[in-house]
Amino acid sequence: DSGVTQTPKHLITATGQRVTLRCSPRSGDLSVYWYQQSLDQGLQFLIQYYNGEERAKGNILERFSAQQFPDLHSELNLSSLELGDSALYFCASSSIGPDHTEAFFGQGTRLTVV
Amino acid sequence: AQSVTQPDIHITVSEGASLELRCNYSYGATPYLFWYVQSPGQGLQLLLKYFSGDTLVQGIKGFEAEFKRSQSSFNLRKPSVHWSDAAEYFCAVGQLSGSARQLTFGSGTQLTVLP
Repeated sequence: DSGVTQTPKHLITATGQRVTLRCSPRSGDLSVYWYQQSLDQGLQFLIQYYNGEERAKGNILERFSAQQFPDLHSELNLSSLELGDSALYFCASSSIGPDHTEAFFGQGTRLTVV
Repeated sequence: AQSVTQPDIHITVSEGASLELRCNYSYGATPYLFWYVQSPGQGLQLLLKYFSGDTLVQGIKGFEAEFKRSQSSFNLRKPSVHWSDAAEYFCAVGQLSGSARQLTFGSGTQLTVLP
């Protein structure tokens, strides 16, 4: 158990819909990351939040947005869903030190768009 | 931009045999390198990491990796594979800028272990 909790574990929704994925980081970790894992794109970094503020942005679509709340949990919002958005979405958390510290990954939310 | 190449999509070894998974990276500065393992239905677990210092790093589950700057490689090795090592393995390079962090992953190597 990494200590990172993601809900829900599975999500099935229709094209055009909007969903919210939730992540609770490890106790004490201020930084949260979102990654997308799909068969054609592999594991891709989407976005990082640190103590409520966006810190790094990767290949995140404009239809996707994220935020980190004062209690440090994070949500990834996916809207106008397309079939190609079907993927495993991982959340990870880490502390921030002078080096690139270890990121602990949750078990992921499997999103299926039908 | 940084990138990671894992040239072997799938590797099959017999239980008890040695293992080497290849990883090549492209990164302008001193790289932060990681190996993660993903078992079916699970998240990613860190096996080992390299930041600086000794170029041979030891990880969990008996894995080790060697950083070779001249070859831009960070290959993962294990002297004797166990059936429970069957999983997908990802090499990653970390980018660091202030409090910004992100990992760039390779495409992964699926390991099958024969009895």
